[in-house]
Amino acid sequence: QSALTQPASVSGSPGQSITISCTGTGSDVGSYNLVSWYQQHPGKAPKLMIYEVTKRPSGVSNRFSASKSGNTASLTISGLQAEDEADYYCCSYAGSSTFVVFGGGTKLTVL
Amino acid sequence: QVQLQESGPGLVKPSQTLSLTCTVSGGSISSGSYYWSWIRQPAGKRLEWIGHIYTSGNTNYNPSLKNRLSISIDTSKNQFSLRLSSVTAADTAVYYCVSVDTALAHFGYWGQGTLVTVSS
Repeated sequence: QSALTQPASVSGSPGQSITISCTGTGSDVGSYNLVSWYQQHPGKAPKLMIYEVTKRPSGVSNRFSASKSGNTASLTISGLQAEDEADYYCCSYAGSSTFVVFGGGTKLTVL
Repeated sequence: QVQLQESGPGLVKPSQTLSLTCTVSGGSISSGSYYWSWIRQPAGKRLEWIGHIYTSGNTNYNPSLKNRLSISIDTSKNQFSLRLSSVTAADTAVYYCVSVDTALAHFGYWGQGTLVTVSS
């Protein structure tokens, strides 16, 4: 099963918005509305930020939003803050055997 | 608030078996609310789902690891465990135990992770 493709890095200034893409195939992102996003600060465990493409867990800022079109999912962070600087990983359901595939991660730098 | 904590050796010799245990607190592992999963992350690389187990003992394993992998659960201790045999340097990674909503395919509660190095 192929992994999902994310840009290696994105950057933005405080207050700006950025979008991270996550491209899969018709066997994962394109077939299921089960894309999730994780934020990982250095040396820390990942944190669930988005699930079922667009839903935010309790406690996650509404500055984080997400969407999906075809085989590509996207995470948007608005009103960038210094604390948003982290690695972001997308994840998609990929069938009962493979279960999930992850993206390679995107390093967000807040300038 | 569910909390998870990994424990086990940080160094394993090549060809030997990697064994880790995850202790769940703040909730019963038998509640049926979640499946219980292992995920690993080699340094600087992507996350990789290893497998998961339900309170009933039903398991689902990553096909690429299936032949070397065993995940078990001990409801009396509120723990679940990972055993990965015939390890090589490629198995060196931070290993996380995680709660998983299998119906919605997302991972909610994470342990802090434990680094396992495979080296002689």
